[in-house]
Amino acid sequence: DIQMTQSPSTLSASVGDRVTITCRASQSVSDWLAWYHQKPGKAPKLLISKASKLESGVPSRFSGSGSGTEFTLTIDSLQPDDFATYYCQQYDSFSVTFGQGTKVELK
Amino acid sequence: EVQVVESGGGLTQPGGSLKLSCIVSGLTFSGSYMSWVRQAPGKGPEWVSVIYRSGNAYYADSVKGRFTISRDNSKNTLYLQMNSLRADDTAVYYCARATGTGPLYFFDYWGQGTLVTVSS
Repeated sequence: DIQMTQSPSTLSASVGDRVTITCRASQSVSDWLAWYHQKPGKAPKLLISKASKLESGVPSRFSGSGSGTEFTLTIDSLQPDDFATYYCQQYDSFSVTFGQGTKVELK
Repeated sequence: EVQVVESGGGLTQPGGSLKLSCIVSGLTFSGSYMSWVRQAPGKGPEWVSVIYRSGNAYYADSVKGRFTISRDNSKNTLYLQMNSLRADDTAVYYCARATGTGPLYFFDYWGQGTLVTVSS
């Protein structure tokens, strides 16, 4: 299986900050990468697919970039609703895999 | 509005069985790939199984031979029969629609999850 590694594991930030989360794949996944965020006790919510395609209804402060093995999720001007755990997911291989998560917490 | 509602979770002993159900509304269930994704406490999500429109089904190695996914398009319902349960199957199980390009998929609609606990 393709391993997905996110960094950092935890990120402390303030409202209004620009934050960046990195996701690395153990082998190339082209641009078959999705990003989700998850609040405690809730299901993951899809933010971005195909590395950079913003899903309908997702605020434009979210953006994704990258291809191959290295990807980033950027949140411009962090809002109170954005404090959550973020996961990347590759779907290049038959067996899709997720990263271990990055928790964005209030500084 | 799309609604995905799982049920059937609970506490069972190692070696036991459970059957999860997932009722979907607000999207074309019969035309959708559907999947089960689980999440152990404090861990990232883990894909479990997918069933295509055709009925072809695929499984993660960790559950192959023990779990069976199925669908009833007349009832807009997805199932997961889980046998020979182990402690490491303990997780919240989510039903999710799998979408994307052919066999390459991500998950755009998720249920609220149902907790499965395997413990003696």
